[in-house]
Amino acid sequence: SQTIHQWPATLVQPVGSPLSLECTVEGTSNPNLYWYRQAAGRGLQLLFYSVGIGQISSEVPQNLSASRPQDRQFILSSKKLLLSDSGFYLCAWSVRQDQPQHFGDGTRLSIL
Amino acid sequence: GQQLNQSPQSMFIQEGEDVSMNCTSSSIFNTWLWYKQDPGEGPVLLIALYKAGELTSNGRLTAQFGITRKDSFLNISASIPSDVGIYFCAGQGLTGAGSYQLTFGKGTKLSVIP
Repeated sequence: SQTIHQWPATLVQPVGSPLSLECTVEGTSNPNLYWYRQAAGRGLQLLFYSVGIGQISSEVPQNLSASRPQDRQFILSSKKLLLSDSGFYLCAWSVRQDQPQHFGDGTRLSIL
Repeated sequence: GQQLNQSPQSMFIQEGEDVSMNCTSSSIFNTWLWYKQDPGEGPVLLIALYKAGELTSNGRLTAQFGITRKDSFLNISASIPSDVGIYFCAGQGLTGAGSYQLTFGKGTKLSVIP
């Protein structure tokens, strides 16, 4: 069966520091991968998605970037964090774009 | 862009009661999904609906894909304390660029009073 892992689970970072959040999927090949941000325990905002290695689509302009160095690895990065980057970041995968997405357990990011 | 209206925003119910929540959209969707999120965790898929008019059950949960393809509801029968959480609807449709997009409602926070 397929599993998705995100780490770290929580992270506290100072303003201006870099960021790297990692997501890996096991048990499937060539998944579609997604990064979301969830504010205040409510709606999910799509940040990036990837249909294959090295292919990244950005949904909103921001201080963040994403990379997919391997088939089942998706990384969310920032060179310099802002206070507004605080939130709950979720990674998800799907077999195809038109299939349901399955989420990891998220990373709670706090910026001080 | 596409928007979903999910209601109610929150509910307080007695254990054993039935629950109903729904989502409506101004756009047509190809797929409706219902997720549940527990505090500090990611959303978990409960039910997926692929066809207009489809009625699908998963244990005490029942969901329907509206005939107009612009709405869906989720019912929970005989609620229990572990039903507590935030329930999200999500509609999936094609964007103008030809890719699929998943649009989420803002969630229904369910509290169950023992």
